[in-house]
Amino acid sequence: RKEVEQDPGPFNVPEGATVAFNCTYSNSASQSFFWYRQDCRKEPKLLMSVYSSGNEDGRFTAQLNRASQYISLLIRDSKLSDSATYLCVVMRSGGSYIPTFGRGTSLIVHP
Amino acid sequence: ETGVTQSPTHLIKTRGQQVTLRCSSQSGHNTVSWYQQALGQGPQFIFQYYREEENGRGNFPPRFSGLQFPNYSSELNVNALELDDSALYLCASSVDRGSGYTFGSGTRLTVV
Repeated sequence: RKEVEQDPGPFNVPEGATVAFNCTYSNSASQSFFWYRQDCRKEPKLLMSVYSSGNEDGRFTAQLNRASQYISLLIRDSKLSDSATYLCVVMRSGGSYIPTFGRGTSLIVHP
Repeated sequence: ETGVTQSPTHLIKTRGQQVTLRCSSQSGHNTVSWYQQALGQGPQFIFQYYREEENGRGNFPPRFSGLQFPNYSSELNVNALELDDSALYLCASSVDRGSGYTFGSGTRLTVV
């Protein structure tokens, strides 16, 4: 089983839709969690950190479920510009904070 | 605009050669990590440097090595290049371990 797993998609949704992605992780010692966005042939860019209490940034909401070992990203009112690959990152500590990326979930928002 | 710059942007090398990729991190970012990203995959962690010492390593052979310098720059060296080393190599820096990273735009390496 991979350390971090994501459904690769693609998720194909109309503008204005709400879409949610999940990411599961296998290492219960994982400490920090993030969502990154990567546009085609570009570098990943930090979208948001994921906190235990959940956090929201505009149309984006991130949740962490430690018991079930997954994180989620909810995008409301999808825009064409949201089309990208969304990468989840799980970081385990123990002194070295090794980040592990999922393979990413592709989102296509169409008119 | 990213505060992390990488050079070169593209590179073509022959199998068996050696390559050095360079990264200039944001000032004050004492943590730098390097990733290999194949097409259609997420970035794979190669190694991380914290205050000029290797601080963690992924599942890559010893022919992948690196250095971090006091001026927040770093480099990735790959010896005895193989065809499968063809990928996008990303450098990312962070103000501290455990924080989110800022990525450079990457070096696209092609091994022929």
